[in-house]
Amino acid sequence: EADIYQTPRYLVIGTGKKITLECSQTMGHDKMYWYQQDPGMELHLIHYSYGVNSTEKGDLSSESTVSRIRTEHFPLTLESARPSHTSQYLCASTPPGLAGGNEQFFGPGTRLTVL
Amino acid sequence: KQEVTQIPAALSVPEGENLVLNCSFTDSAIYNLQWFRQDPGKGLTSLLLIQSSQREQTSGRLNASLDKSSGRSTLYIAASQPGDSATYLCAPGGGNQFYFGTGTSLTVIP
Repeated sequence: EADIYQTPRYLVIGTGKKITLECSQTMGHDKMYWYQQDPGMELHLIHYSYGVNSTEKGDLSSESTVSRIRTEHFPLTLESARPSHTSQYLCASTPPGLAGGNEQFFGPGTRLTVL
Repeated sequence: KQEVTQIPAALSVPEGENLVLNCSFTDSAIYNLQWFRQDPGKGLTSLLLIQSSQREQTSGRLNASLDKSSGRSTLYIAASQPGDSATYLCAPGGGNQFYFGTGTSLTVIP
């Protein structure tokens, strides 16, 4: 079973602040993903990465950015947080192999509230 | 784009009952399908992964089936327990990503 860590677990901040949500995995997975999930709604992919220096935008338009400088680390940054960014953010990873062909493992999530 | 539908949206059963959760998807060109459990405010826990070449997969009281050609999967839970109360999500995987439904919210009444 993969170990995926997300920090912080909960964050309440004011409008206009810059924030970075951290995601790390210790299993050497090459593929990593960020999803956004509102209460009672489906998960929407906002960013993904197939490896170091690889990042792509997902289906859901997002004002966030990501970076992948190290295999184990995939942080998500909001330059200027707004109340519309209030949501739960979930990080996931999959082992090497065919894209979409391997089991996806999730972190515990970060619940973000922007006042 | 892959569309995923899960029926029913909510289900309440007495403890000990067997139940079936349904998942349908529009694009049958998938590599696999994964079932997850999500507790309120938490991340997703992987329950079962079925490869596109498989028809079913079992883990303990859980059995998942996949009919790729018709775009359907079912999750069977035997002898349900209060601890099974959670939201169950299916996610077909294909191409670059997985797609998720809104889930079935299950409540098992003691």
